[in-house]
Amino acid sequence: AQSVTQLGSHVSVSEGALVLLRCNYSSSVPPYLFWYVQYPNQGLQLLLKYTSAATLVKGINGFEAEFKKSETSFHLTKPSAHMSDAAEYFCAVSVGNQGGKLIFGQGTELSVKP
Amino acid sequence: KAGVTQTPRYLIKTRGQQVTLSCSPISGHRSVSWYQQTPGQGLQFLFEYFSETQRNKGNFPGRFSGRQFSNSRSEMNVSTLELGDSALYLCASSLTGGVGELFFGEGSRLTVL
Repeated sequence: AQSVTQLGSHVSVSEGALVLLRCNYSSSVPPYLFWYVQYPNQGLQLLLKYTSAATLVKGINGFEAEFKKSETSFHLTKPSAHMSDAAEYFCAVSVGNQGGKLIFGQGTELSVKP
Repeated sequence: KAGVTQTPRYLIKTRGQQVTLSCSPISGHRSVSWYQQTPGQGLQFLFEYFSETQRNKGNFPGRFSGRQFSNSRSEMNVSTLELGDSALYLCASSLTGGVGELFFGEGSRLTVL
């Protein structure tokens, strides 16, 4: 069965500092991986996705993630945090032809200090 | 292009009642998925509909049901509400339901008293 583990339910960084949100997955077949962001009282917005093309994936708002099969990881990074990045971030995995079925991690709340 | 629209945005029900939530996908999208989001359980997949057929189902009791109409609009129903059904219910649509981007609505927040 597929699963996703996000390390750290809450991460706090200073404005301008590196953002690193960790995600590890478990899958018996090549996975498709996603990062979503959720702002308060809103739905989820796709930041980026990995679908077996380039292992370094660039997304919106300056975020990127690297797929590392040997480490079963898909960590999300941003070189310089902005106040507007404060939100909850979810890593998710989809396998094969499961269509709209995603398995989400528990989420990481990112706080950005001025 | 209009996004995914969910109605109602907020609602309050009492235990034992039933509720119907509606989702209008992005025009042209044929797949609609539903998720339940709670602080304790996080985001959990309920079911997915494609061309009016349920294609995938999560691990929820039979009190949770859904359907999709010919115009791709979808409804989900929860009968005999329990306190634990209080949650944000999110609908997501995609073009084909293959491994592509899901577009989420803002959700319907259900409170069961």
